[in-house]
Amino acid sequence: GAVVSQHPSRVICKSGTSVKIECRSLDFQATTMFWYRQFPKKSLMLMATSNEGSKATYEQGVEKDKFLINHASLTLSTLTVTSAHPEDSSFYICSAIAGAGWNEQFFGPGTRLTVL
Amino acid sequence: EDQVTQSPEALRLQEGESSSLNCSYTVSGLRGLFWYRQDPGKGPEFLFTLYSAGEEKEKERLKATLTKKESFLHITAPKPEDSATYLCAVQAGGTSYGKLTFGQGTILTVHP
Repeated sequence: GAVVSQHPSRVICKSGTSVKIECRSLDFQATTMFWYRQFPKKSLMLMATSNEGSKATYEQGVEKDKFLINHASLTLSTLTVTSAHPEDSSFYICSAIAGAGWNEQFFGPGTRLTVL
Repeated sequence: EDQVTQSPEALRLQEGESSSLNCSYTVSGLRGLFWYRQDPGKGPEFLFTLYSAGEEKEKERLKATLTKKESFLHITAPKPEDSATYLCAVQAGGTSYGKLTFGQGTILTVHP
């Protein structure tokens, strides 16, 4: 149980285009999902907290107009990188909280974004 | 501000050579401390949650312990398949929505 998937696993796009990444909880309902960014050989940096049916909460320094987050259902959250630039290239990982006690977070497999 | 520091940054072991990874933390009211394993190019895999000082949890060759200032991940008789990055994270009490603060990780390499 507690499986989280992400799609796509890898994406390459041209500078200036927008890219959408999906995060799904496959066998549970997730009222809260999180989006992280990870640079090579670095740890995970929280970008935003996504709550079903409400606006996402962004961490300090994260541009909300650039990283659009939508949590339309209890099993799906999407991250859209708008007008992507090479500096947006990174490994993006989502996680979801399973259960009412909001303790364990289960992570997706990640999406490798490369902006040319 | 919550802080998590892991040491060492990298650890090389021979198969069967037991050792420990350290996670030191400062947090305003610990709600939970989490250990994850991450393989290259993949998302973190949940290992343990510890909630209070003195608590211990085990899973196969791994054992996690917790004090008021740090946590240890003990690896007994490691195998090459235990090679991975081990991440420690804390969740502060009163924090909305289960926000985690991660350490930088320890890269473990186990040689056959």
